[in-house]
Amino acid sequence: NAGVTQTPKFRVLKTGQSMTLLCAQDMNHEYMYWYRQDPGMGLRLIHYSVGEGTTAKGEVPDGYNVSRLKKQNFLLGLESAAPSQTSVYFCASRRAGSTDTQYFGPGTRLTVL
Amino acid sequence: GENVEQHPSTLSVQEGDSAVIKCTYSDSASNYFPWYKQELGKRPQLIIDIRSNVGEKKDQRIAVTLNKTAKHFSLHITETQPEDSAVYFCAGSMNSGNTPLVFGKGTRLSVIA
Repeated sequence: NAGVTQTPKFRVLKTGQSMTLLCAQDMNHEYMYWYRQDPGMGLRLIHYSVGEGTTAKGEVPDGYNVSRLKKQNFLLGLESAAPSQTSVYFCASRRAGSTDTQYFGPGTRLTVL
Repeated sequence: GENVEQHPSTLSVQEGDSAVIKCTYSDSASNYFPWYKQELGKRPQLIIDIRSNVGEKKDQRIAVTLNKTAKHFSLHITETQPEDSAVYFCAGSMNSGNTPLVFGKGTRLSVIA
């Protein structure tokens, strides 16, 4: 049982390049989330999904797109990367139900030059 | 929507002393309040949570208290140890299952040996 995994762990992009971050969970969780973490800013929600085929915007969605084609996977895309998107990205998941534990992935450190 | 404020942003204590981190929330409908610990370079992990039908919960050296009237909750760590040094995040959410957690900006706790 791997829990929540993220691919890749590190990535360096040039401004304007695109990339996709993959989050996978093997806990059969319905809800999945993408956060970014910047110094002094805490964990800010980018997008989330409450089920396969559904997505919703979080606090800071601009510049990102997501897809949840399979229940176990949640993809975060950057179509045209900007230096402001340099951050550590965390994926998380939890079961449906108001107070179940939310589990985080190990994070992806992205640098945009 | 919900807003969670966390104080202080940094906290230094001597080993063996107690540490207290406080959070306030804005939405009176929120009723689930978890606390996460994030060690340097690692993912956030749940350490304790509290639901609004209780006022206090303890787990060994950590405890959380909740004041629904004042809309604030606190994390208490007693007999601090160097391994307690980390960033701590509070969060809150409503009882409806698909409402994402809203996180505070974090408190960096340093335990000085």
